[in-house]
Amino acid sequence: KAGVTQTPRYLIKTRGQQVTLSCSPISGHRSVSWYQQTPGQGLQFLFEYFSETQRNKGNFPGRFSGRQFSNSRSEMNVSTLELGDSALYLCASRRIALPYNEQFFGPGTRLTVL
Amino acid sequence: AQTVTQSQPEMSVQEAETVTLSCTYDTSESDYYLFWYKQPPSRQMILVIRQEAYKQQNATENRFSVNFQKAAKSFSLKISDSQLGDAAMYFCATGTYKYIFGTGTRLKVLA
Repeated sequence: KAGVTQTPRYLIKTRGQQVTLSCSPISGHRSVSWYQQTPGQGLQFLFEYFSETQRNKGNFPGRFSGRQFSNSRSEMNVSTLELGDSALYLCASRRIALPYNEQFFGPGTRLTVL
Repeated sequence: AQTVTQSQPEMSVQEAETVTLSCTYDTSESDYYLFWYKQPPSRQMILVIRQEAYKQQNATENRFSVNFQKAAKSFSLKISDSQLGDAAMYFCATGTYKYIFGTGTRLKVLA
């Protein structure tokens, strides 16, 4: 069974631009969560999608948004990029949006903002 | 609010020896899970072990085991017979729909 895939793996953007990251969950997994990992703030929850609906959201500005498609694939968008958005963005999926199914993580997208 | 604290930024262990990584947490949830994830240099987060809070028996996965002390809100990870491939960042996490992670412990395995 294929794992969680994320594209692209690496991305370089400049301040003010916008970026879209993609995540394909494990087959049969309907919940997708996004996390930001930085050396200073560690791993922080961005949001979770289930059945194309955002169910939970972390404490990030509105520049961070996401969506989920009917096939459970998810995209995350960051508009008006800032230097501080440079991070590893991790996507995680689980079978259904119950609290106690463990999440399986993708390899991440490394975003660098210049 | 949920919090997870890992007080050991870095640990070292000799190959074949045993090491214990510490984690304390705080949660208002009455029923919850706890997790240990491993993040090697490839940055891929790998689930090492999970513990159901309602179970008194400590979870075990091969060389990995936990010491879960619910009253003390402590959840330590023991790695036995350490191998070079165990070298990684280890993150403790708890949560329901979203995970709260600790700051991580970097484990070095010395040959």
